[in-house]
Amino acid sequence: DQQVKQNSPSLSVQEGRISILNCDYTNSMFDYFLWYKKYPAEGPTFLISISSIKDKNEDGRFTVFLNKSAKHLSLHIVPSQPGDSAVYFCAASSPNYGGSQGNLIFGKGTKLSVKP
Amino acid sequence: GAGVSQSPSNKVTEKGKDVELRCDPISGHTALYWYRQRLGQGLEFLIYFQGNSAPDKSGLPSDRFSAERTGESVSTLTIQRTQQEDSAVYLCASSPRRNEKLFFGSGTQLSVL
Repeated sequence: DQQVKQNSPSLSVQEGRISILNCDYTNSMFDYFLWYKKYPAEGPTFLISISSIKDKNEDGRFTVFLNKSAKHLSLHIVPSQPGDSAVYFCAASSPNYGGSQGNLIFGKGTKLSVKP
Repeated sequence: GAGVSQSPSNKVTEKGKDVELRCDPISGHTALYWYRQRLGQGLEFLIYFQGNSAPDKSGLPSDRFSAERTGESVSTLTIQRTQQEDSAVYLCASSPRRNEKLFFGSGTQLSVL
């Protein structure tokens, strides 16, 4: 049972355009959401996060939107650059998921390709 | 070092052998996580250490898997009697405290033949 879902395994966009990566979750107890970027042969690196008390967080070219009623979040990259080509993972956590604290649940990832 | 260090970077082993993977977290980080990523899959949580609290082992897939961490230092993940389905990239991450962003190592690529 996937609690964090990234339904698009891949996305291709043209350089300079907007990239929109989507993520859905099922557990209403999740209160903190993060996006990670992963290049081949490297570990994931943190990109941006959002708390459930907010609906938007912006950092430079990256903006994360949270729609709690729809249990949906999205990552917007504007403008997209070839160096943004990577796998993007959505992750979520709750204060007391499964009796533990701090456990991040990851989606399967979306591979973004930005073409020059 | 400045980041999370994992060793070895690659490990090839025969089915039935035991393997030990090592993680050096960022100094001062109290939280340490182990994840694995099978080919084409997302990151699967294995185990989580927070300071001196009892670890959260809820993600360990079988009793062949175990992990240790002494204080806030090095952690080792041990897989006994490896099986082919254990083949994956094993990722370690640390963070200053719970719910802080995780800093990942580059992972150990484990191949069980």
